[in-house]
Amino acid sequence: NAGVTQTPKFRILKIGQSMTLQCTQDMNHNYMYWYRQDPGMGLKLIYYSVGAGITDKGEVPNGYNVSRSTTEDFPLRLELAAPSQTSVYFCASPPAGLGGVETQYFGPGTRLLVL
Amino acid sequence: TQLLEQSPQFLSIQEGENLTVYCNSSSVFSSLQWYRQEPGEGPVLLVTVVTGGEVKKLKRLTFQFGDARKDSSLHITAAQPGDTGLYLCAGSGGSNYKLTFGKGTLLTVNP
Repeated sequence: NAGVTQTPKFRILKIGQSMTLQCTQDMNHNYMYWYRQDPGMGLKLIYYSVGAGITDKGEVPNGYNVSRSTTEDFPLRLELAAPSQTSVYFCASPPAGLGGVETQYFGPGTRLLVL
Repeated sequence: TQLLEQSPQFLSIQEGENLTVYCNSSSVFSSLQWYRQEPGEGPVLLVTVVTGGEVKKLKRLTFQFGDARKDSSLHITAAQPGDTGLYLCAGSGGSNYKLTFGKGTLLTVNP
């Protein structure tokens, strides 16, 4: 039982390149979230999903896209990378058996640098 | 928009000292969580408080939810170097699907 896993751990992108950040959870929960964390800042919600086929924007969705075709996977796509997207990205999901968002298990994060 | 303000932003203390971190809002939350984050890792949940006035203890850590469910505090007794990390508060309410995070308090406990 790994909880929430993310790949890659670290990536350097050039401006204008695209990439997909992968997130997988094995807790069989419907809710999944993507956050970004900038230095000295808390976590800002990018997108979230309440089940397969259902996604919605969070606080800072511009420049990102998501899809949710399965319960387990919630990839985050950057289409045209910009320096402002340099950040640490965390995926999260509640553990099995809890219906709401009060408890979130976080993945180890993906550190992205856009040059 | 619900906002959570944490204070202080930075705190550096000596081992054995006590400290309190605050999390305040003008909004009412249905529950409030405290997370601790160590460098290079994701946040880890410490506690959830749901009832106004609730106090929870986790070894040397004491968490309190304000009576009006708008604020919370985290008190650490006899801090140890292992307590070093970023402490984040987060609240749920307004929308059942999302958490609002504060910016965090970066605690350093020196041996």
